[in-house]
Amino acid sequence: ETGVTQSPTHLIKTRGQQVTLRCSSQSGHNTVSWYQQALGQGPQFIFQYYREEENGRGNFPPRFSGLQFPNYSSELNVNALELDDSALYLCASRRAGGPETQYFGPGTRLLVL
Amino acid sequence: GESVGLHLPTLSVQEGDNSIINCAYSNSASDYFIWYKQESGKGPQFIIDIRSNMDKRQGQRVTVLLNKTVKHLSLQIAATQPGDSAVYFCAENKGKGAQKLVFGQGTRLTINP
Repeated sequence: ETGVTQSPTHLIKTRGQQVTLRCSSQSGHNTVSWYQQALGQGPQFIFQYYREEENGRGNFPPRFSGLQFPNYSSELNVNALELDDSALYLCASRRAGGPETQYFGPGTRLLVL
Repeated sequence: GESVGLHLPTLSVQEGDNSIINCAYSNSASDYFIWYKQESGKGPQFIIDIRSNMDKRQGQRVTVLLNKTVKHLSLQIAATQPGDSAVYFCAENKGKGAQKLVFGQGTRLTINP
C-alpha cells in the first residue's frame, strides 16, 4: 500500500451535476497530482497542487478545479458533468524536493449517466 | 492527448520466463522515466524509475534500460510469476517545476502457467 487514500471508491452521477472527490496524501508528502484514466487508457494529468496552490495543469477545461488543504489533503471538483467524464480518477502524492516518484491512491471510479 | 508510445498492447509469457516490455517516448528533453504496474481495480504501483543520465537501473527482478539515441525505454522482468500479470505503463516527466507525468496506453502482461 502507498498510504494514499481516496474517497469515495465509486460514484454515479448524472449529466450536468457536480462532483467532489477527495484524496489524502502519504505522510510527509506535500504535493498532490490528479489524473483521469479512461477505460483502457493510461492516466492523463489534470493538475498538481503544492502549498495549497495549483502548480501545473494539463489539457482539461476550467470546470475541473481543485483544492489543497493545510494538511496536504486535496479535492478534485468537476462541474457540469459530461458523459465523457466517466473514468477512474487517481491522485498521487510526493514530497517536493524529495524523490521524484509519485505514489498513487486506488482511485475513484466515476460513472456519469 | 499526449502519450508515450508502446510497441505492443499485449504480451503473453510462460511462468518462469523473462518478459520485456518496450516503450518509445517522444520528448528528447525528458529527464525522468518511470514504470508503473496496474492490477485490475487498483491504482498504478511504482516499479522502477530512471533518470536520463543513466542507461540502466536494476531492482528486484526488474531492470529498466534507457536508450536516449532512439528514445526507447524497456522494462525487463526476470522469472515472471503469476503475480506479475497486470498492465504496465511507462511514463515520462514533461513538467518544468511541476511534475507532469505523461503515460502511454499500457501493455497487458499475461503469465501462462
